[in-house]
Amino acid sequence: GAVVSQHPSWVICKSGTSVKIECRSLDFQATTMFWYRQFPKQSLMLMATSNEGSKATYEQGVEKDKFLINHASLTLSTLTVTSAHPEDSSFYICSARDLLAGVKKTQYFGPGTRLLVL
Amino acid sequence: RKEVEQDPGPFNVPEGATVAFNCTYSNSASQSFFWYRQDCRKEPKLLMSVYSSGNEDGRFTAQLNRASQYISLLIRDSKLSDSATYLCVVNHGGGADGLTFGKGTHLIIQP
Repeated sequence: GAVVSQHPSWVICKSGTSVKIECRSLDFQATTMFWYRQFPKQSLMLMATSNEGSKATYEQGVEKDKFLINHASLTLSTLTVTSAHPEDSSFYICSARDLLAGVKKTQYFGPGTRLLVL
Repeated sequence: RKEVEQDPGPFNVPEGATVAFNCTYSNSASQSFFWYRQDCRKEPKLLMSVYSSGNEDGRFTAQLNRASQYISLLIRDSKLSDSATYLCVVNHGGGADGLTFGKGTHLIIQP
């Protein structure tokens, strides 16, 4: 199946710092990537939809100035958590939809990034 | 009402048993339906798409009832390796909508 990578796989940082997470589709092109967040014992929640070459679309309640998304190419989207605070500690997962997926809309998930803000 | 509802479990079943998961969704305009599997501290992995006609993949059978907005997953002859959280997932359609996840049903297969 299609492969999506994320980097870093985990990060620990001090409160107030910014953290950048990369999401790459390795063997396919993705005009659309999605960023999700999962708190312990909770479901994945969609944060934003990242569109190549245009602005991201954020879900209600997600601050676009805090979670900066850049989708500069068909294989790379980045999420930057600015001025991270302990409540931002979570499991951040990206997914990518194959440009050629058509009506199947299958999304392939990256391995996730665990963020711990102290 | 939550958009995608699942029984959280856990379901404890003996190896070899048949287990069924149910899921309901609230948005009647939903277009695509999936079951994902998530292992502890890992990303979700697609198990199978769900079609109105029902579909089967080995020991796994998925059913969709659009009228009742109900999705099911049946696992036959369960294996120890089937232990995981099973996520019911819905796509509401449109050009690039993200997925809406249920909270998942935790399955534990006991030897």
